[in-house]
Amino acid sequence: DQQVKQNSPSLSVQEGRISILNCDYTNSMFDYFLWYKKYPAEGPTFLISISSIKDKNEDGRFTVFLNKSAKHLSLHIVPSQPGDSAVYFCAATKNTGGFKTIFGAGTRLFVKA
Amino acid sequence: DTGVSQNPRHKITKRGQNVTFRCDPISEHNRLYWYRQTLGQGPEFLTYFQNEAQLEKSRLLSDRFSAERPKGSFSTLEIQRTEQGDSAMYLCASSLGQVGEKLFFGSGTQLSVL
Repeated sequence: DQQVKQNSPSLSVQEGRISILNCDYTNSMFDYFLWYKKYPAEGPTFLISISSIKDKNEDGRFTVFLNKSAKHLSLHIVPSQPGDSAVYFCAATKNTGGFKTIFGAGTRLFVKA
Repeated sequence: DTGVSQNPRHKITKRGQNVTFRCDPISEHNRLYWYRQTLGQGPEFLTYFQNEAQLEKSRLLSDRFSAERPKGSFSTLEIQRTEQGDSAMYLCASSLGQVGEKLFFGSGTQLSVL
């Protein structure tokens, strides 16, 4: 049972344009959502997060949008840079602690120069 | 602070052998997680520790798998009688256990069972 779904295995974007990565979740208990980035031969690194009490969180070129009614979140990267090429994982957890983080399957982003 | 350290980085073993991986978390982190990742998938939760107490184990963790975190510091993950299906990247992560639970991952141990 995939509780966190990333339905696009890959995405290709031109440098300077916007990258939009999507994520859906099924468990209403989740109230905190995170995005991680992973380069080859490295572990995932935290990128940005959002609490369920918000619908948007921005950090530089990265913005995460949350639509609770649709159980959907998206990560926007603008402008995209070649160094953003990586695998992006959507993750969800419950904010009370002691609740494991569940990851999606990931989306591989290619940013073409 | 050198981050989360995992050893070895790569392990090749024959089916039926036992293997043990080590994880050294960030020193002030009280939570330690083990995840497994296979090609094309995201990290799958295996187990986690709050200090030295193992608080949850996934159904994925068969009785061939055992994890320990003595004294609440480093952790070991042992796989007995390895099978080819155990081939995967084993990731360790640690956290402060605060609101938002941001995980800090090591670089992982890539296990290949021949």
